[in-house]
Formats: sequence, structure tokens, C-alpha cells
Amino acid sequence: NAGVTQTPKFRVLKTGQSMTLLCAQDMNHEYMYWYRQDPGMGLRLIHYSVGEGTTAKGEVPDGYNVSRLKKQNFLLGLESAAPSQTSVYFCASSYRRQETQYFGPGTRLLVL
Amino acid sequence: RKEVEQDPGPFNVPEGATVAFNCTYSNSASQSFFWYRQDCRKEPKLLMSVYSSGNEDGRFTAQLNRASQYISLLIRDSKLSDSATYLCVVNHGLGGYNKLIFGAGTRLAVHP
Repeated sequence: NAGVTQTPKFRVLKTGQSMTLLCAQDMNHEYMYWYRQDPGMGLRLIHYSVGEGTTAKGEVPDGYNVSRLKKQNFLLGLESAAPSQTSVYFCASSYRRQETQYFGPGTRLLVL
Repeated sequence: RKEVEQDPGPFNVPEGATVAFNCTYSNSASQSFFWYRQDCRKEPKLLMSVYSSGNEDGRFTAQLNRASQYISLLIRDSKLSDSATYLCVVNHGLGGYNKLIFGAGTRLAVHP
């Protein structure tokens, strides 16, 4: 039981490049989330999903897209990376009827 | 104004000390409350929920004052292993999903 896993762990991009971050969970959780964490700020919700095939915008969705084609996977895409997207990205998941969110180990992204 | 505010610290305390962290939240409709712990360069993990009557888990005591919109965490007999950032988290309970709002965290450093 691996919990929540994220790939890659670290990535450097040039401005304008695209990439996809993968999140996978093996706990059969209905809900999944993508957050970003920046110094001096709390985690901020980018997008979330309440089930397979559904996605919705969070607090800071601009510049990101997501997909949840399978219940266990939640993908975060950056179509044209900008330096402002330099951050640590955390994926999380939870059961529908429980509030506890379980986080992946994070992806550190540097956009030059 | 941030929705969840915390003193960023750092709090530098010797082993065995008692330390208290405070947190205020702005949305009076918030329904549930938590403390998460985040070790350096790691993901956040749930430390404990916070109940209206106050609750204790070993050396950790959490208190909630809904009237003042204030949450606290008390750590007794601090250990070196308690060194981490403590995140105050509030669930708005709106929108059909577990909308968690994270504070920026309070950093604790316990020294010998």
C-alpha cells in the first residue's frame, strides 16, 4: 500500500515549456486535489476532483489543467510554464465522507 | 487578510519545554478544524483534529474557541523530534467537497 505517490519528484523547465505531473493513489479515495505551496503562504488549492471523470477549479487554477480519467490517477498539466509557477506541488486524496486528506511527497518545480 | 493566520515563528525552545501555537480564522461558518505537521521538505500529515470541547493526544492538546475564532495547540515536554512546521487548517464545508484552508504554518525548532 503505497498511499499517494507523485512523479516526478523534481523538474526544471524553461519558460513556455509544458509538462504533466502525475498523482496516483491506491486507497480507493473518491476525492483528489492538487495544491501548490509557496514560501510564507499556506497550501493553495489549484484544482480538485470528486470522482472519476470530474474536475473543478480551486483557488488558483489559472495556467493549469487537470484530468481524472481513472479513479486512482489525477494529472496536473502546465501548458506553457511561467516563472510564477515555480513552486512545490502537492497532490492529496480523501474519502468522500472523511475530511482527512492524505498527501503525496510533492514535486518541486523550477521554471527558468 | 488571510483566511487562516498563524505566527510564522520560528519558536526556538529547549527539550522539555512547553510551547503554544495560536491560529485565528476569518470565516465564522467554518465547520471543522485541524492541526497538520509538516517536516522540512516533506508533505503535510494530520496531527490531530480540534474539537469544541478541546482534546488531547499524549503531549499535544488542542483547543477551539468559536466565539473568538481562535485555535490553539499546546505541546508539553518538547522532544527534538517535534521540530517541524505546524499548519493550522480549517474546513469550510462548502461546495460539496472537503475545502481545507491552510495557514502558512508556525515553525518549531527544539534544541538540546
